Amino acid sequence: NAGVMQNPRHLVRRRGQEARLRCSPMKGHSHVYWYRQLPEEGLKFMVYLQKENIIDESGMPKERFSAEFPKEGPSILRIQQVVRGDSAAYFCASSPQSSGWKDNQPQHFGDGTRLSIL
Amino acid sequence: TQLLEQSPQFLSIQEGENLTVYCNSSSVFSSLQWYRQEPGEGPVLLVTVVTGGEVKKLKRLTFQFGDARKDSSLHITAAQPGDTGLYLCAGSPPGSNYKLTFGKGTLLTVNP
Repeated sequence: NAGVMQNPRHLVRRRGQEARLRCSPMKGHSHVYWYRQLPEEGLKFMVYLQKENIIDESGMPKERFSAEFPKEGPSILRIQQVVRGDSAAYFCASSPQSSGWKDNQPQHFGDGTRLSIL
Repeated sequence: TQLLEQSPQFLSIQEGENLTVYCNSSSVFSSLQWYRQEPGEGPVLLVTVVTGGEVKKLKRLTFQFGDARKDSSLHITAAQPGDTGLYLCAGSPPGSNYKLTFGKGTLLTVNP
């Protein structure tokens, strides 16, 4: 009964390097959501993806950040040329269908990737 | 931008006491969720409230959604050390049910 799996759990990068965060949704879930939790801040929505489609990326920084959810394999959140301000916990959530509450489709969260930038 | 304010930010109580934590906003939400988050882990969903005035009970936890769907409360009866954790509320704005807006949370410590 595997839940949402994120890896790595901890990632250390130097400024200017690339960070790749992976998320495997729960079995049977085809909708993925990424959130970022900065120190002393609440979780902030970044992007909502379905298989091979970005539905809403309104929370993503305009530069250096990208996300994908290919037909096969996990969803990837990619951060290029990382800076100190990218240090945060990145959480992925999934749902079987679009997370509409009338349909009782809650988002199930993974345990996150803690990204540290040196 | 819709904001959720949670209070208190920190709460430390003794085992057996009752407590209430609050989640307030000036905006209307189509639904509100309460999560609990342990250190180093992701948020775990406790409950979803959808209808204004709705009350849901989960063992010793009682959740209420305000009539105007702008605020919510979580009441814990006879708190236990196992209730210790970060309690987060999250709202879904009308028209974007998937885009959860989270509060910063209430960090609850229940001392034995």
